Parts: sequence; structure tokens; C-alpha cells
Amino acid sequence: EVQLVESGGGLVQPGGSLRLSCAASGFTFSIFNMNWVRQAPGKGLEWVSYISSSSSTIYYADSVKGRFTISRDNAKNSLYLQMNSLRDEDTAVYYCARGTTVTVYGMDVWGQGTTVTVSS
Amino acid sequence: DIQMTQSPSSVSASVGDRVTITCRASQDINSWLAWYQQKPGKAPKLLIYAASSLQSGVPLRFSGSGSGTDFTLTISSLQPEDCATYYCQQANSFPRTFGPGTKVDIK
Repeated sequence: EVQLVESGGGLVQPGGSLRLSCAASGFTFSIFNMNWVRQAPGKGLEWVSYISSSSSTIYYADSVKGRFTISRDNAKNSLYLQMNSLRDEDTAVYYCARGTTVTVYGMDVWGQGTTVTVSS
Repeated sequence: DIQMTQSPSSVSASVGDRVTITCRASQDINSWLAWYQQKPGKAPKLLIYAASSLQSGVPLRFSGSGSGTDFTLTISSLQPEDCATYYCQQANSFPRTFGPGTKVDIK
């Protein structure tokens, strides 16, 4: 079964750090581009970051640029999101999502999400 | 950045009704538009890619159309299980951007 499972969410104080992980299974992780997408409570979807299959191409939303770092370990079938200098507005459910084989087609497999709460 | 808008923000319809949701991009995105369905407490699910291609396993009552800046998602005969929020997303360029969502429920 094709599956993505996020972990690492939790409660953190403003200015703190957190590292999210996404474990992939059921498909050849190393050939797929990956994304992080978040959803604040009661709000819509916000794309956060993209990493190509070989890690050669990376993009970030302006709202997280300079604070978040996306990475992957193809040998471990894992995707990561290092989040530093966290702000209240980073509170959200964070989803990892697989890019389709054709990059412009969207995101076809999503994890169940992990919740990040930034609060003092 | 490309801005995405959707209308209506919510729609209430009867079982069997035809429901149409509109999505507009702030600039030409060719046909690189995806539609997602999200039910409460669940992850989004890809319904349509490349504006009009149905993702595998998605019921045939869902269809998409459009190109350039104007797109539509149509549910030909609304079913109770279609109650959800629907998002469009442009995949033409980075940063990827989503529309604000359209909530669909049963009247």
C-alpha cells in the first residue's frame, strides 16, 4: 500500500524549533518529488515547500523562507522539515504530499498530517 | 505569485443536483490546475489533474474543464459522500498556490 506517515509534531514555544519527518512506503520514494503543505485551524491549504527527487531543486513559500529547511534521505525513504524560529502563525496540521510523476499534475498521495502548535 | 480565487465559497444542493465550482488564476497557468477534495479531519485527495484529467479511482460524476485562467469543477449528480471542501491549486509555477476552498453540503 502506498503510504506517507508524518511524525514529529507537538507543542513548542514561539522562537523554538521542531523537526517533522515523513516516512514513505509502498512506492519507490527516490524517484518522486515531495512537498510539505500545511493547514491552520479552520483555514485553507497552504503549500510550504518542495524538494525534487535528487534534492537538487528546492522551493519555499515566502512565509517560511529562511526559517524552514526541507530535506530528504532516499536511503531511508524519508522526508524532513526542519522548522526554526517558529511563530504563532505556524500553528497548523502539516502534511507531506507526493508530487505526481509529471510535476505539473499536482500531489497525488498525502499523509494523515501531524499537528504543530506554537504557543507560550 | 499566482493568486487563485474560487466561487462560490459555499454551496448547498440536493442529492442528484449538478454542482459547479469556479476557479480563477491571476495569470495564465495553461492547463496546470489540480482539484482536491477534503473531508473534515482528513487529508486532501487529488480528484482532477491537468484541469480535466480524472485521477484513478475518482467517480465519473466528477469532471474538470478550462485552461488559461478560468477553470471549473463539476459534480454531475451530487451524492451524500461528496460533502466536503474543494480546493483548486495551480501547478504551473512555484510557489504553488491554492484557492480558498468551496464547501459543498447537502440541502
